[in-house]
Amino acid sequence: AQSVTQLGSHVSVSEGALVLLRCNYSSSVPPYLFWYVQYPNQGLQLLLKYTTGATLVKGINGFEAEFKKSETSFHLTKPSAHMSDAAEYFCAVTLSSNTGKLIFGQGTTLQVKP
Amino acid sequence: EAGVTQFPSHSVIEKGQTVTLRCDPISGHDNLYWYRRVMGKEIKFLLHFVKESKQDESGMPNNRFLAERTGGTYSTLKVQPAELEDSGVYFCASSQDRTGPYFGPGTRLTVL
Repeated sequence: AQSVTQLGSHVSVSEGALVLLRCNYSSSVPPYLFWYVQYPNQGLQLLLKYTTGATLVKGINGFEAEFKKSETSFHLTKPSAHMSDAAEYFCAVTLSSNTGKLIFGQGTTLQVKP
Repeated sequence: EAGVTQFPSHSVIEKGQTVTLRCDPISGHDNLYWYRRVMGKEIKFLLHFVKESKQDESGMPNNRFLAERTGGTYSTLKVQPAELEDSGVYFCASSQDRTGPYFGPGTRLTVL
């Protein structure tokens, strides 16, 4: 069965510092991977997704994630955190790009300190 | 282009009452999904429509939940009768071909 683990329910960084949010998955077949962000009092916004092809995926707002099959990981990074990045981030997996039946991780709340 | 919309944004009801949530997907999206996040837990899949047909309802918790998508446009999710454990945020999402899925803002349901 598929599953997703996000390491760290809360991550705190200083403004301007590197953001690294960790996501590991388990899947018996090559997965399709997603990162979503939920800003306070808003819905889920698709940040980026990996289906096939290039393993480094660039998303909105300067975020990117790299699919590493050997490590079963899809960590989300941003070189320099902004105060506006404070939000909850969700990693998700599915077996097919044609289905939106996603398995979500527990979520990671990112705090950005001035 | 309008995104996925959901109504109401908040609903507070008493145990035993009925509540109906509505979702309007992005125009032209055949796939519509319902998800739920109970406080402190993961976001979990409830069901998937392709146009007006239920493709997968494996995540529906029990028969107190009824989802419909008449005409393949908007969808409703009815909870009858509501129980305390039904409280949470209900998300709707839609997709077409390889796009998305794109989520709506959610409906926060509180059952007292």
